[in-house]
Amino acid sequence: GQQVMQIPQYQHVQEGEDFTTYCNSSTTLSNIQWYKQRPGGHPVFLIQLVKSGEVKKQKRLTFQFGEAKKNSSLHITATQTTDVGTYFCAGRVYGNKLVFGAGTILRVKS
Amino acid sequence: EAQVTQNPRYLITVTGKKLTVTCSQNMNHEYMSWYRQDPGLGLRQIYYSMNVEVTDKGDVPEGYKVSRKEKRNFPLILESPSPNQTSLYFCASSPGTGLTEAFFGQGTRLTVV
Repeated sequence: GQQVMQIPQYQHVQEGEDFTTYCNSSTTLSNIQWYKQRPGGHPVFLIQLVKSGEVKKQKRLTFQFGEAKKNSSLHITATQTTDVGTYFCAGRVYGNKLVFGAGTILRVKS
Repeated sequence: EAQVTQNPRYLITVTGKKLTVTCSQNMNHEYMSWYRQDPGLGLRQIYYSMNVEVTDKGDVPEGYKVSRKEKRNFPLILESPSPNQTSLYFCASSPGTGLTEAFFGQGTRLTVV
């Protein structure tokens, strides 16, 4: 079935360092969403990308959608302790079915 | 306040004892779904519902049932829970198909002993 692979599974960075998580799909996606889950919390929607090659920014977060609409990335510049949590990508293949990646756990050392 | 409410938040039960996890949303969303979250596996969809009386299997439906008698409620039923259903469960809703974000409930941590 449809799979969305997400790497790395886990990353531990020093505060101020950059962080990137990547998602790859085996098939073309109609759009991709990113969610953040704080420790002990629930996933919260961050952003949605729809167009091929689209790039969106939210303060220190930069989201990209690949030209082939099969991959995406989330980059955080100069991480802060408030960035800790698990970041999920979720690709939409058809209809309203969202397929989630396994998530990347981010820990930030201060 | 727009929200998705799950109950209970925590539950410890014994193998074979039927249980229901409730989910309710106050946003008049058509689409609702259930996920389970396990370490290293991310969020896997159990069942989803496109509207009242319309439900369908997700990726891991075995051992679960759902119903959608009203638009706002989407309970998850475990008729005979087993230890491999120990997990963190999330209910989510969204306005419909297409370019819509999912709103998640607070989660239910279930332990089956």
